Amino acid sequence: TQLLEQSPQFLSIQEGENLTVYCNSSSVFSSLQWYRQEPGEGPVLLVTVVTGGEVKKLKRLTFQFGDARKDSSLHITAAQPGDTGLYLCAGEDTNAGKSTFGDGTTLTVKP
Amino acid sequence: DAGVIQSPRHEVTEMGQEVTLRCKPISGHDYLFWYRQTMMRGLELLIYFNNNVPIDDSGMPEDRFSAKMPNASFSTLKIQPSEPRDSAVYFCASSPLAGGYEQYFGPGTRLTVT
Repeated sequence: TQLLEQSPQFLSIQEGENLTVYCNSSSVFSSLQWYRQEPGEGPVLLVTVVTGGEVKKLKRLTFQFGDARKDSSLHITAAQPGDTGLYLCAGEDTNAGKSTFGDGTTLTVKP
Repeated sequence: DAGVIQSPRHEVTEMGQEVTLRCKPISGHDYLFWYRQTMMRGLELLIYFNNNVPIDDSGMPEDRFSAKMPNASFSTLKIQPSEPRDSAVYFCASSPLAGGYEQYFGPGTRLTVT
């Protein structure tokens, strides 16, 4: 089973600050997804990255897939309280025929 | 589309009772997944189906857990008998893609076993 490690595990910042969270593995993934989960809800798909080195932007969120397709990062610019939630990455494990989820980063943005 | 629908949203039961969780996937999605989420263990895949057929049930904790998908629009996860350690949030997700790598989650069922 391919493992995904996310860091930091917890992050608490003030509104307006920038932040980056990481998703790392020693294994290569065919694609990687990022999800955000708000309290009391299910995870919501934010983006899929497929190509090594790929960068995707979703408003204030920037997602990057590592060149070797083993890692990914999520950068949030000028964080807002609405960004608060659990951020999960999931890697496409082609050999196993299913996705592997990381343990997530819990982000709190204080107003 | 209404998204993935799960019922009930909350379930409180006593140890030893049977619990049935229900899921209606998004129409047209060929893949259906059942997950369990706890603080200690994070999000765990229990079982997934492709075109109503169970493909991988290696995550099912033990024989007390069973899942069925009798048709493309309905699935159940049953726990019999339930134990306090089964307390968790159970999610159903569906996906339209081959391999199921982009998943759409339901709101979850919060199960408490006393």
